[in-house]
Amino acid sequence: GAGVSQSPSNKVTEKGKDVELRCDPISGHTALYWYRQSLGQGLEFLIYFQGNSAPDKSGLPSDRFSAERTGGSVSTLTIQRTQQEDSAVYLCASRDTFLGSPLHFGNGTRLTVT
Amino acid sequence: GNSVTQMEGPVTLSEEAFLTINCTYTATGYPSLFWYVQYPGEGLQLLLKATKADDKGSNKGFEATYRKETTSFHLEKGSVQVSDSAVYFCALASSNTGKLIFGQGTTLQVKP
Repeated sequence: GAGVSQSPSNKVTEKGKDVELRCDPISGHTALYWYRQSLGQGLEFLIYFQGNSAPDKSGLPSDRFSAERTGGSVSTLTIQRTQQEDSAVYLCASRDTFLGSPLHFGNGTRLTVT
Repeated sequence: GNSVTQMEGPVTLSEEAFLTINCTYTATGYPSLFWYVQYPGEGLQLLLKATKADDKGSNKGFEATYRKETTSFHLEKGSVQVSDSAVYFCALASSNTGKLIFGQGTTLQVKP
């Protein structure tokens, strides 16, 4: 079936504007993750959803960042009042219930804040 | 909290050389360990994994052994090819929560 789908693939926004990034995980995958990859940097964990449990938000860098997952499927990452340092590739990944299962990554959203 | 530390890159090797990329971790419980690879212009994909101590993951000639006594999961390949040039990420999944964290990545460049 289809893989993890992210939209938009590219987003350019002005400093101070809000943005929403969308992730459609693989159907049936109960776990969904958001990561941020800055140029030349590793993957920074942002947030993790597992089934109906409360999400692990420990990686969100500030209160300008939030995410939700509706109906256990689609997820939206929202960044309010964007700053230039928010520029990065935002990656979404999903996996099935088994903890040892591999993550399936989307192609990411490249966010540029001008 | 849990953490993953990888050797810093870039690593530059000649074709057919032996590769080691070191990865050590700190974790509570019994995590699962992974190596992911990102080829130029492509998305991240799983290379290999090990879910318990002493397991060896292998794929495409790469190997890594889950060493609980040294908290390590070093990636090795006996003879690298130009096509192995990529960024390699070591990762850990918590056995308690499923939270998956990554190391900072190691860039490998293989020259003909």
